[in-house]
Parts: sequence; C-alpha cells; structure tokens
Amino acid sequence: AQSVTQPDIHITVSEGASLELRCNYSYGATPYLFWYVQSPGQGLQLLLKYFSGDTLVQGIKGFEAEFKRSQSSFNLRKPSVHWSDAAEYFCAVGPASSASKIIFGSGTRLSIRP
Amino acid sequence: NAGVTQTPKFQVLKTGQSMTLQCAQDMNHNSMYWYRQDPGMGLRLIYYSASEGTTDKGEVPNGYNVSRLNKREFSLRLESAAPSQTSVYFCASSDRGQETQYFGPGTRLLVL
Repeated sequence: AQSVTQPDIHITVSEGASLELRCNYSYGATPYLFWYVQSPGQGLQLLLKYFSGDTLVQGIKGFEAEFKRSQSSFNLRKPSVHWSDAAEYFCAVGPASSASKIIFGSGTRLSIRP
Repeated sequence: NAGVTQTPKFQVLKTGQSMTLQCAQDMNHNSMYWYRQDPGMGLRLIYYSASEGTTDKGEVPNGYNVSRLNKREFSLRLESAAPSQTSVYFCASSDRGQETQYFGPGTRLLVL
C-alpha cells in the first residue's frame, strides 16, 4: 500500500539552528515527491519537488531535500532556520501527471525558539 | 492574479443544515480539487475535477457533492451537515498533466 510517514508530529528548534524534517514513503513505482509548507491560517505552498535526476533538490526559502531510494526517505533540511519558518510541513508522494493520486503525510509542526 | 480563492473563510452550521463552499482559480488550470484537513491526518481528497465537465470521487466523498461550474469554479456542497464534517476544507488547482497543486487559503467549518 502507498503511504507517507512523517514520524515527528512537532519539532522545536532555536532560531539559527539547522533543521531536518523526516519523511518516509512506501510506493510501488518510482515516486514523485513533494514538500509543502502551510503557514498559520494559510493554504499549502510548494517548497520543492523531486521527479528524477540529482537526488538533492533545492527549493524556495533556502530549503533543500535529499531523495534516498535505499532508505525510502525524502528528508527536508535547512542550514539555519528563521522565526518565519514556523509552520506546518507536509511531505507528499504520487505518480507522474496525476495530482489526484498524491498522498499527503500527516504533517510536522515546526516551532522556532527565539 | 489572486490564484485560488475560497469563500467563506469560516462557517458554523447546525447538524442537518446545508451549505456550499465556493472555489475559484484564475490560473487557467484544467484540474481542481477539494481536500479536507483534520488534525493528525494530513490532507484527504474529497473530490476532484480533471477538466471542465468532469468530476470524480476521491478518498472521502461520502456526504459531499461537487459541481464544476466552468473552468474557473469548483464548488463543494454539504447537503446535510454532520459533526464529523467539522474540518478545514482546501481547494486546489493544477495544470493538466502537472503534479504541482496551488492551494486556496481554506474554509474552516464547524458543525454543531
């Protein structure tokens, strides 16, 4: 069965510290992988996506993610977080050209300690 | 360019009442979607419309109906609201053959 797991419900990091949010997936075919961010009271915004090629992908707002096929993971990283990064982050997986079949993880809420 | 807009932002209903959530996009996208977001469960697809004139069920369609009024607008209707439909509802759109979705700001619905 296809699934996406975000093991951490809530993470708190200090401003300026590095960040890694975990995402593991189970998918039959080669997956298309996404990270979305949801700021308080807002809709979801795409941070980055991976389809093929270089396994390290760069996104907006200084985020990057690394696809590791052997570990079925697509972890999101940022070297130095800012207070404005406080939000909920969703990992998603799906097939090519069919957004209706994308599966979202349950989300990780990120808090920033001043 | 407003992207995806949703109305209303917030609504309180009593059990059994009906209402329609409106969604519009100005990006000329072919595909539109309705999701619900519940704590600890991520987003779940209710219905989607791959193109004008077509609609299909998603993961959790029971208790909902949709209408793709034209290419811009996709509405979600609750005929007889139930407390289990208390949730945040998101509309999204994407271009044909594209996986990236653009989301509206959401409608927070409380059913008493």
